[in-house]
Amino acid sequence: DAKTTQPTSMDCAEGRAANLPCNHSTISGNEYVYWYRQIHSQGPQYIIHGLKNNETNEMASLIITEDRKSSTLILPHATLRDTAVYYCIVRPSNSGGYQKVTFGIGTKLQVIP
Amino acid sequence: DTAVSQTPKYLVTQMGNDKSIKCEQNLGHDTMYWYKQDSKKFLKIMFSYNNKELIINETVPNRFSPKSPDKAHLNLHINSLELGDSAVYFCASSPQGVGYTFGSGTRLTVV
Repeated sequence: DAKTTQPTSMDCAEGRAANLPCNHSTISGNEYVYWYRQIHSQGPQYIIHGLKNNETNEMASLIITEDRKSSTLILPHATLRDTAVYYCIVRPSNSGGYQKVTFGIGTKLQVIP
Repeated sequence: DTAVSQTPKYLVTQMGNDKSIKCEQNLGHDTMYWYKQDSKKFLKIMFSYNNKELIINETVPNRFSPKSPDKAHLNLHINSLELGDSAVYFCASSPQGVGYTFGSGTRLTVV
């Protein structure tokens, strides 16, 4: 059911920028791109979301291509604590409980000392 | 001050038993969810409630019965537990416009 595709795994050197790609070629006009991460077996944690403009917050930046068919999550200075599985999902922002959102396998990011 | 809290954190039980998992959110969100994460790590939605009303019931066996006494609580009762029910169950909540806030999960092991 996942409408996104992501690489299964990536490595990143500590202190470097981690760039995590996501393809969402069938995204609809009213759907936002959301990113979450799951550290170990904790509950997934919201990172950032966007519609078409690039977004930045204290955790990360989100770059969405002009055609909105793909996006990249950027962790500017990866630390060991950023080692996690990163999920990219799409959903309308005002869907309430009506959207059947399934998280795919995500990208397992390993930050290397 | 946990935003979404679920109990218990771990649950080990025998096949055939009935068990419940509780979830509470103090964020004032209108919508609550139950997700199941299996051994392959897929996070799949099971149920969603909007203001105590069941919205999504995603092909889950009717041994699973959610109950929402008020919009801050969404409990999950499971009858006649089977080995295949072993998984991590996550409760989550969301307001209309932003992302989910997840609980820390309940690891259910059926033996």
